[in-house]
Amino acid sequence: QLQLQESGPRLVKPSETLSLTCTVSGGSISSSSYYWGWIRQPPGRGLEWIASIYSSGTTSYNPSLKSRVTISVDTSKNQFSVNLSSVTAADTAFYYCSRHRVAVVDADKINWFDPWGQGTLVTVSS
Amino acid sequence: SSELTQDPAVSVALGQTVRITCQGDSLRNYYASWYQQKPGQAPLLVFFGKKNRPSGIPDRFSGSNSGNTASLTITGAQAEDEADYYCNCRVSGGKDYVFGTGTRVTVL
Repeated sequence: QLQLQESGPRLVKPSETLSLTCTVSGGSISSSSYYWGWIRQPPGRGLEWIASIYSSGTTSYNPSLKSRVTISVDTSKNQFSVNLSSVTAADTAFYYCSRHRVAVVDADKINWFDPWGQGTLVTVSS
Repeated sequence: SSELTQDPAVSVALGQTVRITCQGDSLRNYYASWYQQKPGQAPLLVFFGKKNRPSGIPDRFSGSNSGNTASLTITGAQAEDEADYYCNCRVSGGKDYVFGTGTRVTVL
């Protein structure tokens, strides 16, 4: 059973860079047909997609965050990571990692996120 | 517009049917996926595409699509279905993705 686990600092100072890693177990991050994504959720608010990456390194980013976000993958460690620079209090959120599938199923164009990590709360504060 | 709009909240009597809707231009080109989120938990995929339900998800969850609107229907709602529900799809003309604003479902 595929499992994902986020790790990284829980407290980041304003203007610094938030760095999180997702460790994948129970399967290979190099599996074909899958992207790997990051999603965040400010406390009490909705979900926001941040970025996704294919094992080959192909990336896609949320346009509103693109200038500050870098997503990367380390197939040797079965991990993928996200860096968010110049953080402010508005970046305080639960950060989730997930396997992301983009596919055409019976001619229907679909994407879905499954499974998800348990999430980690990152607070931006001095 | 790349936004996906959902009603903030809906309520349903125990055992009755509730439909959660998601509206956005991107839904004319891409199917939605749907997520259930209970307090303190990570989101859980409950339905995706035209007819796909993940293993372990009860068959009372179903989806439908019409024009710029995707819907998730819970037929015979149970107390454990009380949660926040989010839709998601790819943004038309781009390589990015968007989540809906979320709907809180209360089971009375």
